[in-house]
Amino acid sequence: KAGVTQTPRYLIKTRGQQVTLSCSPISGHRSVSWYQQTPGQGLQFLFEYFSETQRNKGNFPGRFSGRQFSNSRSEMNVSTLELGDSALYLCASSGDNPQETQYFGPGTRLLVL
Amino acid sequence: AQSVTQLGSHVSVSEGALVLLRCNYSSSVPPYLFWYVQYPNQGLQLLLKYTSAATLVKGINGFEAEFKKSETSFHLTKPSAHMSDAAEYFCVLSKGFQKLVFGTGTRLLVSP
Repeated sequence: KAGVTQTPRYLIKTRGQQVTLSCSPISGHRSVSWYQQTPGQGLQFLFEYFSETQRNKGNFPGRFSGRQFSNSRSEMNVSTLELGDSALYLCASSGDNPQETQYFGPGTRLLVL
Repeated sequence: AQSVTQLGSHVSVSEGALVLLRCNYSSSVPPYLFWYVQYPNQGLQLLLKYTSAATLVKGINGFEAEFKKSETSFHLTKPSAHMSDAAEYFCVLSKGFQKLVFGTGTRLLVSP
């Protein structure tokens, strides 16, 4: 099976712009989670989608949003970018069991100038 | 609140030496615990997972971890370090429904 894929791998934006990141889960996985990784805050949970519905949400401002499509692919959007949004954004997919192992993609590295 | 604490942001060992990465957890319910590894500029790879079936969990690349409820610990070990083990290791607790809580990570340095 192909693993979790994320596009693009690298992105440079300027403050105030918006960005959309994409994640394709492992075939058959309906749950997709997003995480932000920064040197200062470490790895933090953003949100999780299951069958096109947001099932869980972390403590991030409303500028961070996401969606999931019927084929389980997910997108994450960040509007009005701030310098502090520079980070590695990781996507993970898993099966239907709430405690099932999550498999991570390689991440999208976002740099905000 | 559920949390994990990793002791030591950096651990240095010589090649062939024992690797011991420490993790303590806090959870009001029986926890699901994981160790993930992250190589530079890559995503996270699962090393092993504890799900209460057995207290000693064997993972990939010769790593294993022992769940000790009395000590609320889940330390990661490997008998003999290899240069390729140099990476960052994360102890992770699952809060259910795919919401993971990560430790701060331990960077393992392996010298020849």
